[in-house]
Amino acid sequence: GQQVMQIPQYQHVQEGEDFTTYCNSSTTLSNIQWYKQRPGGHPVFLIQLVKSGEVKKQKRLTFQFGEAKKNSSLHITATQTTDVGTYFCAPQGGATNKLIFGTGTLLAVQP
Amino acid sequence: SAVISQKPSRDICQRGTSLTIQCQVDSQVTMMFWYRQQPGQSLTLIATANQGSEATYESGFVIDKFPISRPNLTFSTLTVSNMSPEDSSIYLCSSMTGYEQYFGPGTRLTVT
Repeated sequence: GQQVMQIPQYQHVQEGEDFTTYCNSSTTLSNIQWYKQRPGGHPVFLIQLVKSGEVKKQKRLTFQFGEAKKNSSLHITATQTTDVGTYFCAPQGGATNKLIFGTGTLLAVQP
Repeated sequence: SAVISQKPSRDICQRGTSLTIQCQVDSQVTMMFWYRQQPGQSLTLIATANQGSEATYESGFVIDKFPISRPNLTFSTLTVSNMSPEDSSIYLCSSMTGYEQYFGPGTRLTVT
């Protein structure tokens, strides 16, 4: 079945430093979504990427979809303590548009 | 967007018993999904519940163990049957509006 790996598994940064998580799939994706899960919380939708090479920005967050549509990345500029949480990529597919969640990257930000 | 509630929020159950988790959405939705999440792990899709038809289960999950009901467009239940300690996890339901999925707060299940 489809596997979606994320690296790193865990990242600890000082507040103000940048952060990037990478998402890699073994198969070509039709689209990919990103979710954030705060500690003790539930996943919250961030964005969807559909087109090859697509880049989208949300304030300090930059999302990119690879040219081959097999990988994606999320970059956070100048992290803040509010960025703490686990970031999941999640390709969507199948007849029911189900999501297959990646392994996730846990971000810790030290003030 | 959608607001989703789940009941119970947590429970401690004895092995061999069953627990039914309820999921309520504040609007009518076609698709609802049930996930399992072990602490510190990713989400694993259990099944997709489409109103008016039988749920579609992912590999490794079977209806006898995780029966699902979807009686209308705003409600679904997941039963964890004949529980064992390995079933201890957080169970989340979600619904889809457009292409976004919205999640409930989860049910933390501990099986002793």
